This record gives sequence, C-alpha cells and structure tokens, in this order.
Amino acid sequence: KAGVTQTPRYLIKTRGQQVTLSCSPISGHRSVSWYQQTPGQGLQFLFEYFSETQRNKGNFPGRFSGRQFSNSRSEMNVSTLELGDSALYLCASSFTGGRYNEQFFGPGTRLTVL
Amino acid sequence: AQTVTQSQPEMSVQEAETVTLSCTYDTSENNYYLFWYKQPPSRQMILVIRQEAYKQQNATENRFSVNFQKAAKSFSLKISDSQLGDTAMYFCAYVKETSGSRLTFGEGTQLTVNP
Repeated sequence: KAGVTQTPRYLIKTRGQQVTLSCSPISGHRSVSWYQQTPGQGLQFLFEYFSETQRNKGNFPGRFSGRQFSNSRSEMNVSTLELGDSALYLCASSFTGGRYNEQFFGPGTRLTVL
Repeated sequence: AQTVTQSQPEMSVQEAETVTLSCTYDTSENNYYLFWYKQPPSRQMILVIRQEAYKQQNATENRFSVNFQKAAKSFSLKISDSQLGDTAMYFCAYVKETSGSRLTFGEGTQLTVNP
C-alpha cells in the first residue's frame, strides 16, 4: 500500500503571495490532518478533515484554510504569506480519526517565504 | 488545555547502551493515548510506540519500552541496545480518545547515538 504523499516537497514563495499544498492519504483513509513544524513553535495542529468536512481546527489565523475532496485528498492554502509561515508542513492520514486510529505521516512540504 | 513537556532538548548515548527519554503531560481527561514518534533527518515522522491510558501494562516494541505513570502524568521512553539508526528527534505526543486526530506534541528531544 502506498504511503501518504505530499506535493510539492519544497516550495519558495515571497511575502504576500499565496500557496497551496496537497496531501494524498493512504488508500481507504478518510481523515487527513495538517501540522506545522517550526524551530520556534514546534509541531502545531492546523486542522483535520474527515469526509470533506473540517472536524477540528487549531489556533491559526484565517489565512490558513483547507479542504478535502471526495477521494479524501486534501489541500491546505495559506494566503498573504508572512516570513513566519516558513515551516515544514506535515499531513497525516488515518482510517476514521474518530475513536483514535493510528496516524501515518507524509514526508512533508518545506515552505520557505522570502 | 492539554500540554506535553519534554525537558531534555538533547541527549547522547553510546552504541549498545540504554537511554531513557522523559516526558510529562497535563490533562484532565481519563481516556487518552500517548505516543513516542521518531523524526530522523529525512523528516519522516515514524511511530515508535503507543500507550493507551486505560492499560496499566507498559507498552513494549522490541528494543523500545515505556514507563507509564498515570497518576504522575509521566511517560518515559527507554531505548535498549541503542543503534546508530536510532539517532533522531523524538517527540512525545498525546491525543484525547474522542478528539479524533488532534495530536499535541512535546518540544522534542534530539538523541544522538555515538559509535
């Protein structure tokens, strides 16, 4: 079974631009969660999608948004990029995500904002 | 709000020796799960071991074992017979049983295994 895939793996943007990251979960998994990893703030939960609905949301500004498609693939979008958005963005998928199911992480997308 | 604390930013150990990584957490929940994840330089997060709070028996996975003290809210990871491939950042994480996939992570401990 293929693992979680994230595209692109690396991205360079400038302040004020917007960016879209993609995550394809393991086949059959319906829950996709997103995390931001920075040296200063560590790993922080962004949001979780299940069956095309946002089920959980972390404490991030509205510039961070996401969506999930009917095939469970998920995208996250960051608008009006700031230097502090430079981070490794990880997504993780699980089977149902209700009562806890093990999450499997993708390799991450490294975003650099100049 | 739940918090997870790892008080050891860095640790080192000699190959074949044993090392223990510490983690404490704070929660008012009774049903939850605790995890240790490993993140090598490739940045791929890998689940090392998992503990259900309702289980009194400590989890074990080959060379990895935990010491789960529920009353003290402590969850340490012991790595026996350390190998060079164990060099990585280790994260302790918590999730409430009913909160889906929302993991709360500690700050991480960088473990270096020396030859």
